[in-house]
Amino acid sequence: DAGVIQSPRHEVTEMGQEVTLRCKPISGHDYLFWYRQTMMRGLELLIYFNNNVPIDDSGMPEDRFSAKMPNASFSTLKIQPSEPRDSAVYFCASQDRMNTEAFFGQGTRLTVV
Amino acid sequence: RKEVEQDPGPFNVPEGATVAFNCTYSNSASQSFFWYRQDCRKEPKLLMSVYSSGNEDGRFTAQLNRASQYISLLIRDSKLSDSATYLCVVKNTGGFKTIFGAGTRLFVKA
Repeated sequence: DAGVIQSPRHEVTEMGQEVTLRCKPISGHDYLFWYRQTMMRGLELLIYFNNNVPIDDSGMPEDRFSAKMPNASFSTLKIQPSEPRDSAVYFCASQDRMNTEAFFGQGTRLTVV
Repeated sequence: RKEVEQDPGPFNVPEGATVAFNCTYSNSASQSFFWYRQDCRKEPKLLMSVYSSGNEDGRFTAQLNRASQYISLLIRDSKLSDSATYLCVVKNTGGFKTIFGAGTRLFVKA
């Protein structure tokens, strides 16, 4: 298996633009997580899905952020409109059961100017 | 107070040294505990799970103290390749919420 795949690896966009981050979890994993990492706040859980259903989105910072998982092999995190304070590394992770190891993708480094 | 707190470091140690990190958590209902390692500009990867009885993996030993609500990671005979950020991870009841500590940076020098 290729592991968790995220795209793009890097994204630079202007403030106000829509940004879509993509994630392909490991096949067979039932759980998918979106995290955001910054120097100031560390690694924060934004939202997670179980069997494609959002379970906990309490970490989503505001309405500008939305996440979807239309099928077991694909998820998106969208920011509209983007702001400079959204600049961070966004990680997607998947795991096959709760309380087991989460495997992370390589992350998307987002810069909003 | 943060749910999971770690000393950010950095810890600067010579090769061969023994170094220990602690991590405290605030939710007494927390059920699962892990240590992850993150190299610079890379994704976090599982280093080891932390069991109630304590566990060891080569040079690495993890321990859990539920009464005092902390977990620890001990690295013996430090190698240059151990230089990284070590993240403490706590999962609450049912694994519904995963909390990462901010990480402790370790630099091992020759």
